[in-house]
Amino acid sequence: DAGVTQSPTHLIKTRGQHVTLRCSPISGHKSVSWYQQVLGQGPQFIFQYYEKEERGRGNFPDRFSARQFPNYSSELNVNALLLGDSALYLCASSLVRVPYNEQFFGPGTRLTVL
Amino acid sequence: AQKVTQAQTEISVVEKEDVTLDCVYETRDTTYYLFWYKQPPSGELVFLIRRNSFDEQNEISGRYSWNFQKSTSSFNFTITASQVVDSAVYFCALSEANSNYQLIWGAGTKLIIKP
Repeated sequence: DAGVTQSPTHLIKTRGQHVTLRCSPISGHKSVSWYQQVLGQGPQFIFQYYEKEERGRGNFPDRFSARQFPNYSSELNVNALLLGDSALYLCASSLVRVPYNEQFFGPGTRLTVL
Repeated sequence: AQKVTQAQTEISVVEKEDVTLDCVYETRDTTYYLFWYKQPPSGELVFLIRRNSFDEQNEISGRYSWNFQKSTSSFNFTITASQVVDSAVYFCALSEANSNYQLIWGAGTKLIIKP
């Protein structure tokens, strides 16, 4: 079975631009969470979606938004990019809302903002 | 206030040595979960273990073992007879009922196993 997939793998943008990151959960998983991991730090929670509804939001500005589609895939959008948005963006899926099931992580999207 | 503390930024040992990674957490919830994840150089986080606050039994899985002590708010991870493939960054994380079970992560411990 395929694991969590994310696209693109790497991305380079300039300040002020907009970016869309994509995530496909493991088949049958209905919950998707997004994390930002700055180099040398632990992941920071951004959003959780379950059954296409936002179920949790971390301490991130409104420039960050996300959605979950009927097939449970998800997009993370970041507007007006800042240099500080450079990070590894991780997507994780689970069968149901955490923590009842472990989260399975994708390989991440490495975003560089110049 | 930092809720998950991994005081060891980096640990370096020689292969076959035992090594313990420390994790101290802070919570007022009575219901919470603790996790360990491994992040190899490839970047993908790999789940290792989940423990709930009502289960203080220690766990052993092959060369890996975990010591959960509520009295000291610690959830330490020991690798016995370490191998080069164990080299990675290891994260401890906390999930609290009152925080809607969002994962709160420690800063990670980079483990280097030298041959």
